Amino acid sequence: DVKVTQSSRYLVKRTGEKVFLECVQDMDHENMFWYRQDPGLGLRLIYFSYDVKMKEKGDIPEGYSVSREKKERFSLILESASTNQTSMYLCASSPGTGTDYEQYFGPGTRLTVT
Amino acid sequence: GQQLNQSPQSMFIQEGEDVSMNCTSSSIFNTWLWYKQDPGEGPVLLIALYKAGELTSNGRLTAQFGITRKDSFLNISASIPSDVGIYFCAGRLPGANSKLTFGKGITLSVRP
Repeated sequence: DVKVTQSSRYLVKRTGEKVFLECVQDMDHENMFWYRQDPGLGLRLIYFSYDVKMKEKGDIPEGYSVSREKKERFSLILESASTNQTSMYLCASSPGTGTDYEQYFGPGTRLTVT
Repeated sequence: GQQLNQSPQSMFIQEGEDVSMNCTSSSIFNTWLWYKQDPGEGPVLLIALYKAGELTSNGRLTAQFGITRKDSFLNISASIPSDVGIYFCAGRLPGANSKLTFGKGITLSVRP
């Protein structure tokens, strides 16, 4: 079974803090994704990566950056957390070869910025 | 951007009933996926569809890839209380590499 883990289930940070969300997958997947999920807005793609050290902006990259130094790990960074970044953050991975576009999600990190 | 339409936002059914959910778009998709999300958890993949017309089952769940490639549906038969959750459809546009487009989800409630 594919396993995607996220470093924290719940996180509380203060406005202006730098926040790191970590995601690790154990299936040697090429692609990794970061989404945020808000009520009524569904899943919105922040950034994704299709290879080590490669990244591409998603639909809402402002205020975020990412890092992928190793294939299995994809980090989301909030440079200076703001209250409007309070949300559920979901990491996903997918094989990315042939017809394997199925994304597998981690359990999520619920971030509260006060 | 492209959107997948799921409606209504919420559905309420009685335990034992069957329920059907649609996902529609004005664009053609090459892949359709259905996910379920339990409260406080990440979405879990239920069914993946790769060919127009394809009908796939997973236990009490059945999903179909529409012939026009612009829609998909998910059926749940003989619902049980643990079917409660949010059901998302997702699709891959031609040329979209590995990115998926997600619907906003339907929250299903099952009355015992």
